[in-house]
Amino acid sequence: DAKTTQPPSMDCAEGRAANLPCNHSTISGNEYVYWYRQIHSQGPQYIIHGLKNNETNEMASLIITEDRKSSTLILPHATLRDTAVYYCIVRVREGGKLIFGQGTELSVKP
Amino acid sequence: DVKVTQSSRYLVKRTGEKVFLECVQDMDHENMFWYRQDPGLGLRLIYFSYDVKMKEKGDIPEGYSVSREKKERFSLILESASTNQTSMYLCASSLNRQLEAFFGQGTRLTVV
Repeated sequence: DAKTTQPPSMDCAEGRAANLPCNHSTISGNEYVYWYRQIHSQGPQYIIHGLKNNETNEMASLIITEDRKSSTLILPHATLRDTAVYYCIVRVREGGKLIFGQGTELSVKP
Repeated sequence: DVKVTQSSRYLVKRTGEKVFLECVQDMDHENMFWYRQDPGLGLRLIYFSYDVKMKEKGDIPEGYSVSREKKERFSLILESASTNQTSMYLCASSLNRQLEAFFGQGTRLTVV
């Protein structure tokens, strides 16, 4: 499974969009990009995943570059409850393990 | 909603004890996973299982074993607990290999 690189921490003002970047330059054609988050003292929570097209659900949007070497998770209107560690993971869809890196610690401030 | 339940939220055990961590999921998921999480090291995969009675080693299986006798239950066993196994243990399950995993709330194990 390809490795990912994320900034260790980011701040975002409440109500503004939070844009969390992830580099995965060694991603291969059959690997998906997954995003999870972990709020303090809880288990990780699935957010979204995608292959090459942009994806949107009720929680977030995922923008994947055309060359698939990087992606951005967008929380359109961040709230204080979005303060968490966000993990970007690359894995094959069939049988791939979820390998968690260090993630980005997002702090949403009033 | 998928529910992944871990038997204990907090656990304190003595060095050398045999420890069982239980995980139950209620959505008939095929795949189940055990991770441990430590500050500065992130989540590391210990063992996983794709079916009943099947198990595969993750990245750090040493000192652990697992049991999957029923589809809904995946147990992590510390045969002889040691202080370096003090950690947060997280169980997860997914419907099949393609889909996202759902995590339990975690068990914070302290070995003294």
